[in-house]
Formats: sequence, C-alpha cells, structure tokens
Amino acid sequence: KNEVEQSPQNLTAQEGEFITINCSYSVGISALHWLQQHPGGGIVSLFMLSSGKKKHGRLIATINIQEKHSSLHITASHPRDSAVYICAVQGGGADGLTFGKGTHLIIQP
Amino acid sequence: DGGITQSPKYLFRKEGQNVTLSCEQNLNHDAMYWYRQDPGQGLRLIYYSQIVNDFQKGDIAEGYSVSREKKESFPLTVTSAQKNPTAFYLCASSGDRVGTQPQHFGDGTRLSIL
Repeated sequence: KNEVEQSPQNLTAQEGEFITINCSYSVGISALHWLQQHPGGGIVSLFMLSSGKKKHGRLIATINIQEKHSSLHITASHPRDSAVYICAVQGGGADGLTFGKGTHLIIQP
Repeated sequence: DGGITQSPKYLFRKEGQNVTLSCEQNLNHDAMYWYRQDPGQGLRLIYYSQIVNDFQKGDIAEGYSVSREKKESFPLTVTSAQKNPTAFYLCASSGDRVGTQPQHFGDGTRLSIL
C-alpha cells in the first residue's frame, strides 16, 4: 500500500510570497494528482501528472519519478489561494486514489 | 454545466438507522468513487465502480453498501453496522477505466449522528 506524506502540514505566509508544498510517496505510481479543498469541503483538481512539470497560471507542479517526490509551487501568492492542498497518487488502473493528509495554507494580506 | 451533484449537503442519522447518500453525474463518466474524510486524516476509498452493475470494495468498505444500476448514479448507503459514521463523504468520477483521466469531485455530504 502506498504511503503518501505531505509537508508542511500547516503554512502561513504573506501575500506575494513564493509557496512550496511537498509530497513524497513510497511505491511507484501511474500518476500523481494535486487537489485544492476550500472550507466548504468541495475539491477541485489542479493537476494530474506522471512526469516532468505542468503550469497553470500561478501554479506549477513538478514530479520526480525516480525520487518519488512531487512539489506544488504557487507564485505571487494571494489570500484567495488559502485552502487545503492535497496530494494523491494513483496506482495502475482506475481503482481509486491514495491521499496525503493535506497542507493547510493561509495567505495573509 | 457538467458536474457531480451530491445530496443532501448535511445529513443527520439516529443510532441504528441506515441512510443513503446520493451522487449523480452528468459527465458521462464510466468510473465513480466514494471517499470518506475524517479530521486530520487523508481521504480514504470506500467503494468504486468502473462500469454499470459492477463495483469493488475500497480500503474501508465495512458498514457501507453501494449500487450502480445507472451510469450516472452511484448511491452510498451507510448501514447501522458502520460504528463511526460521522464524517465528510465525497463522491468522484473519472472519464475512463484505466486511470488516465483526472477525477472530478462533488461538494460532499457531511453526516452526523444524533
């Protein structure tokens, strides 16, 4: 069973700062997901990646398959980025994801 | 707009009662999933279905049951056998059966015991 670890668990930063959230996993995967959960509970998929790097607006996700590690970066952070960011990994097939516990991010104005 | 609808948003259950959480999707997705979220823990997989009339147990299926009679619907029943049902429940769907598509999530149902 894959073990997914995220760090940090909690992060408070000032508006404009560069944010990095890390995720490591123990067993090889077919894909890694970064998700965003807002206080109401709904979850939005930010990235799904299996190699390299993806960018969407101010968000960048990278993955190193050999090191079993991924990072999510937020550039020019804004208070509206405040949310829980969740890393999840996928084994082969469509048999569900294994999730990290999430990183609670607060961006102060 | 296509998406996943979970209802109700909040649900209360008395001890010994079964309750059913609804999940409907209009994305024409084959695969559907139920996850449970507890404070301080990651989401955990309860059940999943890759095709109509077929479903598989996840990591924490005990005390739960599901059905998949229609492609767009995947209801979850929390039975009286589930000893600690208070949690946040999320339904998700994916566009394929081999895990190459991202999962789309509903807004969740928060279940509490009275």
